[in-house]
Amino acid sequence: GIQVEQSPPDLILQEGANSTLRCNFSDSVNNLQWFHQNPWGQLINLFYIPSGTKQNGRLSATTVATERYSLLYISSSQTTDSGVYFCAVGRTGNQFYFGTGTSLTVIP
Amino acid sequence: DAGITQSPRHKVTETGTPVTLRCHQTENHRYMYWYRQDPGHGLRLIHYSYGVKDTDKGEVSDGYSVSRSKTEDFLLTLESATSSQTSVYFCAISSDPFYGYTFGSGTRLTVV
Repeated sequence: GIQVEQSPPDLILQEGANSTLRCNFSDSVNNLQWFHQNPWGQLINLFYIPSGTKQNGRLSATTVATERYSLLYISSSQTTDSGVYFCAVGRTGNQFYFGTGTSLTVIP
Repeated sequence: DAGITQSPRHKVTETGTPVTLRCHQTENHRYMYWYRQDPGHGLRLIHYSYGVKDTDKGEVSDGYSVSRSKTEDFLLTLESATSSQTSVYFCAISSDPFYGYTFGSGTRLTVV
């Protein structure tokens, strides 16, 4: 399988701060997605981003496929951003390999 | 919500018993997936389906079987539950896996 490493494993921020989460992967991929798991366990798809840059409100993501990494940026963090952020990669659409996640806590 | 429902939400079962988890969707999506989530491992794919009666194994399929007799239902069966199968199980659906998944709310299974 493909190895996926996410950093940092844990992150504590003051509300309003910015953060960058990183995802490194061990092989070439043509499918990469970011997910957020909220404190109640619900998983939400944030971005499909096998390459390039996308933005959605305060969140944006960049994938440099040739260098095998992706970054998720969170600006002006809010308490509702708390939870675990997962990066998932794959060569096909059906076999995804997930990282172990970055646990984010935003303090008011 | 997103038209995907998992049942039961919680289950406690004894070692050696068979267990079936159900994933039901109302989106008419072609692709359905079963994942398990364990501390330190993220999510790992168990089995997936790309159509009625079309299924394939994922990364951690040993001890699990699946069936999809109609588009809306994808069943995961633990043939003889073991304590190592204590986990949170997530179902996901997709119309095109290259454009994103929708996950169910999860089933917390405890094998004692």
